[in-house]
Amino acid sequence: GQNIDQPTEMTATEGAIVQINCTYQTSGFNGLFWYQQHAGEAPTFLSYNVLDGLEEKGRFSSFLSRSKGYSYLLLKELQMKDSASYLCAVSNNNDMRFGAGTRLTVKP
Amino acid sequence: SQTIHQWPATLVQPVGSPLSLECTVEGTSNPNLYWYRQAAGRGLQLLFYSVGIGQISSEVPQNLSASRPQDRQFILSSKKLLLSDSGFYLCAWSLTGGDEQYFGPGTRLTVT
Repeated sequence: GQNIDQPTEMTATEGAIVQINCTYQTSGFNGLFWYQQHAGEAPTFLSYNVLDGLEEKGRFSSFLSRSKGYSYLLLKELQMKDSASYLCAVSNNNDMRFGAGTRLTVKP
Repeated sequence: SQTIHQWPATLVQPVGSPLSLECTVEGTSNPNLYWYRQAAGRGLQLLFYSVGIGQISSEVPQNLSASRPQDRQFILSSKKLLLSDSGFYLCAWSLTGGDEQYFGPGTRLTVT
């Protein structure tokens, strides 16, 4: 089967660092993606990992371990506008499978 | 730059009525196109994808269908809506399979 698991909800404080984990078991793998989705809006692309290691993009970083089927998204210097759902997705050619998303609430 | 349009933004339809949602992409040629549905509080479910005109792959058997009459146009249809068809419908495009996908603004469908 194919599973993509991530925590349902997380809460963090403004200015802090938060790590959102994602584990996956899929029949194929072309890459792992993270998307941000604000309530009522469409997802927007955040990051992409195809090789093991850390990819850094400003306040956001994403890590991948293919052997462990594991990724995380790291958000630094949290801002109130970072309150959103974060979706982990695994690509296999034309097939992109999404996790259910982690709803992050940033508190003052 | 590339843009993706979807309409309508919101739709309320009675059970048993037909459906047609349209998606168009500008600024790119021969994109991969996708239709997703997101139920309230749930993840994205891939419904259909297309790698070219007239080429449609269905991921989930149901009362929905998709068509791609032009290179940058993707249409989602139903002959008779069910209550379970309610949800947030998202169209997306990518350059090739496996690339990051870019989403349209979505259509919120309520079937009553």
